[in-house]
Amino acid sequence: GIQVEQSPPDLILQEGANSTLRCNFSDSVNNLQWFHQNPWGQLINLFYIPSGTKQNGRLSATTVATERYSLLYISSSQTTDSGVYFCAVWGFGNEKLTFGTGTRLTIIP
Amino acid sequence: DAGVIQSPRHEVTEMGQEVTLRCKPISGHDYLFWYRQTMMRGLELLIYFNNNVPIDDSGMPEDRFSAKMPNASFSTLKIQPSEPRDSAVYFCASSTPWGTAYNEQFFGPGTRLTVL
Repeated sequence: GIQVEQSPPDLILQEGANSTLRCNFSDSVNNLQWFHQNPWGQLINLFYIPSGTKQNGRLSATTVATERYSLLYISSSQTTDSGVYFCAVWGFGNEKLTFGTGTRLTIIP
Repeated sequence: DAGVIQSPRHEVTEMGQEVTLRCKPISGHDYLFWYRQTMMRGLELLIYFNNNVPIDDSGMPEDRFSAKMPNASFSTLKIQPSEPRDSAVYFCASSTPWGTAYNEQFFGPGTRLTVL
């Protein structure tokens, strides 16, 4: 099946810093989602982005499907951004959503 | 919209007991998914339904697990008998089809199950 790798696995930043999280996938995908799992365990939708670029406040995402990767940008980090960020993809011919292993982001005040 | 609703939020039970987890999808969503999250295996899809019909249950770990969706607004995941290795967070998610299952999924808050 399709493999989804995220990097870095862990990231510790000072409040106010910017960060880029990467998601690589091993095959063509039908679609892609980014989630934030907050410290309370809730999975929050960030972006649904099969290709192109989307922005929502301090967050933006870019997916380059032809090169099999997606990037999540977080600007001016806040402590509430802490948690684990997951990338998940649907492979073609497969209706199952496959999750990456996540990037654990810790924002220090 | 209330979002996906799951109950209970926390469940502690003893090995051998039956456990039933419940989910109410977002109204109008035709796909419903059950996931399990553990430290060792991350997020895994267990089973999903389309229009109340189970489409793929290949992720269900063994016969002790069963899931039903008697109507469009309710689904259950049952474990009987439960074992300590079933301890995990179980998430329910739903999405609108628009012709495919490849649409944005919305997750419930999860049920944290501990089997002693």
